[in-house]
Amino acid sequence: AQTVTQSQPEMSVQEAETVTLSCTYDTSESNYYLFWYKQPPSRQMILVIRQEAYKQQNATENRFSVNFQKAAKSFSLKISDSQLGDTAMYFCAFMKRIQGAQKLVFGQGTRLTINP
Amino acid sequence: KAGVTQTPRYLIKTRGQQVTLSCSPISGHRSVSWYQQTPGQGLQFLFEYFSETQRNKGNFPGRFSGRQFSNSRSEMNVSTLELGDSALYLCASRLGGQAAYEQYFGPGTRLTVT
Repeated sequence: AQTVTQSQPEMSVQEAETVTLSCTYDTSESNYYLFWYKQPPSRQMILVIRQEAYKQQNATENRFSVNFQKAAKSFSLKISDSQLGDTAMYFCAFMKRIQGAQKLVFGQGTRLTINP
Repeated sequence: KAGVTQTPRYLIKTRGQQVTLSCSPISGHRSVSWYQQTPGQGLQFLFEYFSETQRNKGNFPGRFSGRQFSNSRSEMNVSTLELGDSALYLCASRLGGQAAYEQYFGPGTRLTVT
């Protein structure tokens, strides 16, 4: 079974600093997708960034980028120039496809606090 | 384009009762998935519906069921509620099909069982 591990339950940085959230996963599949979701106190889950496993290039979305190491099964999220609005729970997720159906497997989350 | 909507947003039920939660996907999206979020177990997949058919089911008891209508709206039902069913229930929609893999989440329904 696929598992996703986020080893940092909580992190805290100062505004404008760069922060990296760790995620490792376990799978025997070669074709899969990885995601980082953000869940602010409002509880709305927001897609931050996605990575297709067949792509070697790391995904980037503005201040958010990933370091995808397929052999190591590692998928970390880097947030540059952090802002107060980045304060949220961050979930790493592995997407498993089963004959057209999909299922997201989530890590336990990292609570990130950006301090002014 | 409107996002995923879920109703109601908050619900309080008593043990033994049943509850129905509703999810309206983004217009044009044909797939709806449901997840349960609790402090202890985290986010767990319940089931996915596509074109009114359940395509995938998580490891939950039969008390948890769902359905999808022809307009892609989905409902989730929990019968004989237990205290442990207290959770945030999230619905997510996607276009559907092999190439459409991004899921977009609704704001959730907070269910409290007393």
